[in-house]
Amino acid sequence: AQRVTQPEKLLSVFKGAPVELKCNYSYSGSPELFWYVQYSRQRLQLLLRHISRESIKGFTADLNKGETSFHLKKPFAQEEDSAMYYCALNQGAQKLVFGQGTRLTINP
Amino acid sequence: SAVISQKPSRDICQRGTSLTIQCQVDSQVTMMFWYRQQPGQSLTLIATANQGSEATYESGFVIDKFPISRPNLTFSTLTVSNMSPEDSSIYLCSVLGPTNTEAFFGQGTRLTVV
Repeated sequence: AQRVTQPEKLLSVFKGAPVELKCNYSYSGSPELFWYVQYSRQRLQLLLRHISRESIKGFTADLNKGETSFHLKKPFAQEEDSAMYYCALNQGAQKLVFGQGTRLTINP
Repeated sequence: SAVISQKPSRDICQRGTSLTIQCQVDSQVTMMFWYRQQPGQSLTLIATANQGSEATYESGFVIDKFPISRPNLTFSTLTVSNMSPEDSSIYLCSVLGPTNTEAFFGQGTRLTVV
């Protein structure tokens, strides 16, 4: 069965420190993975997708098929990065399976 | 991008009643999705609404409980029927953008059943 696991419900780091939000998936086919973010009082929005191999707001995520992981990383956290982050898997026809989410707090 | 308006943004309902949630998109889209986010939980897909055909429900969700309408390419409704406190959740409407590679979400409807 398709599954997305985010082991950390809460993550707190200091401003300027590196950030890594973990995501592991279970999928039998070739996975298509995303990171979505929800800032306070805003709607859920796409942060990045693995196909694009892009860096958005300093965040990157590399798909590691051997470890079935898609961890989100940023070398230097900023206070405006505080938000709820969801890892998601396209299970087909763009139907998304979401992880539990990680609430990231950046301390000044 | 796609701009989605959901109504109502929140409601408190009595058990046994029904609530219809509306989702309006600013552009024509083929597929619309309805998700549920129970307290402290992640988003779970309820169903996919396609214009001109019956909605496709995910395992654990049935049409009698969550009837969906899709009268045109910019609008859909989700009804939560015969509500119980366990239906208290945030319900979200989602559509794919023009490239079909990015999902856009409404602001959600926070439902509390008492």
